[in-house]
Amino acid sequence: EVQLVESGGGLVQPGGSLRLSCAASGFTFSNYWMHWVRQGPGKGLVWVSRIRRDGGETNYADSVKGRFTISRDNAKNTLYLQMNSLRAEDTAVYYCVRVFVGTSQVLVDYWGQGTLVTVSS
Amino acid sequence: QTVVTQEPSLTVSPGGTVTLTCASSTGAVTSGSYPNWFQQKPGQAPRALIYSTNNKHSWTPARFSGSLLGGKAALTLSGVQPEDEAEYYCLLYSGGAHVFGTGTKVTVL
Repeated sequence: EVQLVESGGGLVQPGGSLRLSCAASGFTFSNYWMHWVRQGPGKGLVWVSRIRRDGGETNYADSVKGRFTISRDNAKNTLYLQMNSLRAEDTAVYYCVRVFVGTSQVLVDYWGQGTLVTVSS
Repeated sequence: QTVVTQEPSLTVSPGGTVTLTCASSTGAVTSGSYPNWFQQKPGQAPRALIYSTNNKHSWTPARFSGSLLGGKAALTLSGVQPEDEAEYYCLLYSGGAHVFGTGTKVTVL
């Protein structure tokens, strides 16, 4: 059974840092791109970042570029999101998402249950 | 920055049919945007429904279908059930990044 379990969320002051983790199980982690998606309270889904299977390529939404860093440890089947210089507008539930990229297809399938990050003084 | 727009809300009767659309500010949505569709109910994580325009996941009910329609991605719900009441989001690939649509609230009434 595919499982994605996020952790590391919590309350942090503006300007602070937090590292999210996503533990993956039930599939060959290194075969998939992994993404982070967030959802502010009462708001829609926002794509945050993605990382290639081998970690050799990363991309970010403009709103987090230069502040957030996505990484992965394929030996530990774990995805990370290092968040620095946090702002109130970063307050959201952060989801870890599995994505298969193949010839002429992008298949987004499994989502974690999310971890809540609250940025407030 | 690409903006992806969906209808804010749609209402459909049980057993009816409704089509949701997903438009990109950069131009026509094509298969190369690899449209994916998701359903989200209150308090739950999103659930994937459609990938790469018109492909269903193994768990996707047959009444959901995806397509390209008039330069937009589209999600059609046929024979709507009360449990289909939810928020629906599209996701497009655009130049090394992905962008979610603004979401459509579907009410079954």
